Amino acid sequence: DAKTTQPPSMDCAEGRAANLPCNHSTISGNEYVYWYRQIHSQGPQYIIHGLKNNETNEMASLIITEDRKSSTLILPHATLRDTAVYYCIVRVLYNQGGKLIFGQGTELSVKP
Amino acid sequence: GAGVSQSPSNKVTEKGKDVELRCDPISGHTALYWYRQSLGQGLEFLIYFQGNSAPDKSGLPSDRFSAERTGGSVSTLTIQRTQQEDSAVYLCASNRDYDNEQFFGPGTRLTVL
Repeated sequence: DAKTTQPPSMDCAEGRAANLPCNHSTISGNEYVYWYRQIHSQGPQYIIHGLKNNETNEMASLIITEDRKSSTLILPHATLRDTAVYYCIVRVLYNQGGKLIFGQGTELSVKP
Repeated sequence: GAGVSQSPSNKVTEKGKDVELRCDPISGHTALYWYRQSLGQGLEFLIYFQGNSAPDKSGLPSDRFSAERTGGSVSTLTIQRTQQEDSAVYLCASNRDYDNEQFFGPGTRLTVL
């Protein structure tokens, strides 16, 4: 699975959009981009995934560049409860039973 | 419905003792995963079950670690002769076949004194 690079930390003002970048320059054509987050003292939580088209669900939007070498997770109106570590993961769909390889993630702090 | 549950939530043990950690996946989820999260190593994969079989055990750090799953449901992770470096939060996750989303439990915090 391709390696990802994320900034270690970011701040965001409450009510503003949080834009979390991820670089995955070695991504292969059959690899998807997944995002999970982990709120303090809880297990990770799935947010969204995509292959090449932009995706949106009730939690967030995922923007993948045309060359697929990077992506951005957007939380449109961040709240204090969105403070968490956000993990960008690249993997082949269902590869090796679907295990997740976590990097260090981005620690997002949403401030009032 | 009920999510993934794990027990105990906290476990303190002495070095050299054996411990068993339990995971109850979401009903109907055929895939089950164990991960652990420690300060120095982040979140790392341990083992994957499909039904009662474990086709991927590549993340188990030593032969002191073993896991089993019975009835395609409950799984137990056993650590023998615990060491201080085994101290971590052990997380379990499950999903249905061909499902994109893994559902994680709250974890078991293991402290080895």
